[in-house]
Amino acid sequence: TQLLEQSPQFLSIQEGENLTVYCNSSSVFSSLQWYRQEPGEGPVLLVTVVTGGEVKKLKRLTFQFGDARKDSSLHITAAQPGDTGLYLCAGSSRAGTALIFGKGTTLSVSS
Amino acid sequence: ETGVTQTPRHLVMGMTNKKSLKCEQHLGHNAMYWYKQSAKKPLELMFVYSLEERVENNSVPSRFSPECPNSSHLFLHLHTLQPEDSALYLCASSLRTGTDRYEQYFGPGTRLTVT
Repeated sequence: TQLLEQSPQFLSIQEGENLTVYCNSSSVFSSLQWYRQEPGEGPVLLVTVVTGGEVKKLKRLTFQFGDARKDSSLHITAAQPGDTGLYLCAGSSRAGTALIFGKGTTLSVSS
Repeated sequence: ETGVTQTPRHLVMGMTNKKSLKCEQHLGHNAMYWYKQSAKKPLELMFVYSLEERVENNSVPSRFSPECPNSSHLFLHLHTLQPEDSALYLCASSLRTGTDRYEQYFGPGTRLTVT
């Protein structure tokens, strides 16, 4: 069974701090997506990474896909209260038909 | 309307009731999904429809019955639910072209409470 482990599970920081959240697996994924979900809403797609070692930037968010395509990280620079939410990683496999989701990292940024 | 819409946004039902959740996508996608999101659990895939055919059913109890009349609409019919079925039910859609990029776009969800 393919699993995606996310860490940390909870993160509470002050505005302006930097942070990194991780998404790890023992399985290889052909692509990996990151979503942000706010309370009472559906997940919103942030980025998709497909190539081992790929780095993508979205304003203050930097996403990296591991060289072996088994792990990924999300780094946020100078966090803002608007970054608060549940961050989910999800992987797709050549053999699978749907995404496999991690449990998510709940981020709280206070001003 | 754009993206993926879901109705109702909130639903409270008794265990003997019958209700339906509706999902509509305006993205031109050809695959639709139902997920269940409970507290402290990963998103649980329930059903997958591709080109209006059910391609995956992850051992979901028969009290949940999906229906996909066309590529833009997806329903989840509910009957004789249990309190543990209370959760956020999310609909998603994607474009399945035979590649590996299964980017999914989610609706806002229906918060279901079973009393």
